Amino acid sequence: ETGVTQSPTHLIKTRGQQVTLRCSSQSGHNTVSWYQQALGQGPQFIFQYYREEENGRGNFPPRFSGLQFPNYSSELNVNALELDDSALYLCASSFSSGRAPTGELFFGEGSRLTVL
Amino acid sequence: SQQGEEDPQALSIQEGENATMNCSYKTSINNLQWYRQNSGRGLVHLILIRSNEREKHSGRLRVTLDTSKKSSSLLITASRAADTASYFCATDGEAAGNKLTFGGGTRVLVKP
Repeated sequence: ETGVTQSPTHLIKTRGQQVTLRCSSQSGHNTVSWYQQALGQGPQFIFQYYREEENGRGNFPPRFSGLQFPNYSSELNVNALELDDSALYLCASSFSSGRAPTGELFFGEGSRLTVL
Repeated sequence: SQQGEEDPQALSIQEGENATMNCSYKTSINNLQWYRQNSGRGLVHLILIRSNEREKHSGRLRVTLDTSKKSSSLLITASRAADTASYFCATDGEAAGNKLTFGGGTRVLVKP
């Protein structure tokens, strides 16, 4: 148990719809990172939030957006869903000082999104 | 893009045998981490080795790091059926904005 919780655990959407995934960080952590993991692949970095601001972004289009709240929980929003967005979305929390090298990440169990 | 690449992609061994997997990366790093993932679950941190360290142990795990070759290895000794999982290396270097980037993983099957 990492103390990181994600919701929902599974969801099915159709192409063109929008989805919001939620993540509750481990107590004491100020940084949240989101990853997309396609079946059989390694996790791909989407973006990171540090103290409610985006602190780095991977190679994902703008229709992937996020928020971090004052309690350090976070949301991942994906607009105009495409079939290739089907994946396991992983949230990871950590404590950092922003630009410092990344230490250990604590992952949630993920939200499995299927786009039909 | 993936900074680290694991080798082999899949590994099948008998219980009690050792499992070794390797990770190669492309740019300079601050540290390298190994994670484990049971099927369809979240990732669990196993061990972190800093760029100025060469070897680290944690229980049945032994990790080495060779920064001159840009490679790392993870050894699991005396494997158990419960070690069946995917194992990922992850690196954070300036090229990735100090963000953790993962390789494609090694799928390990430990047969009882």
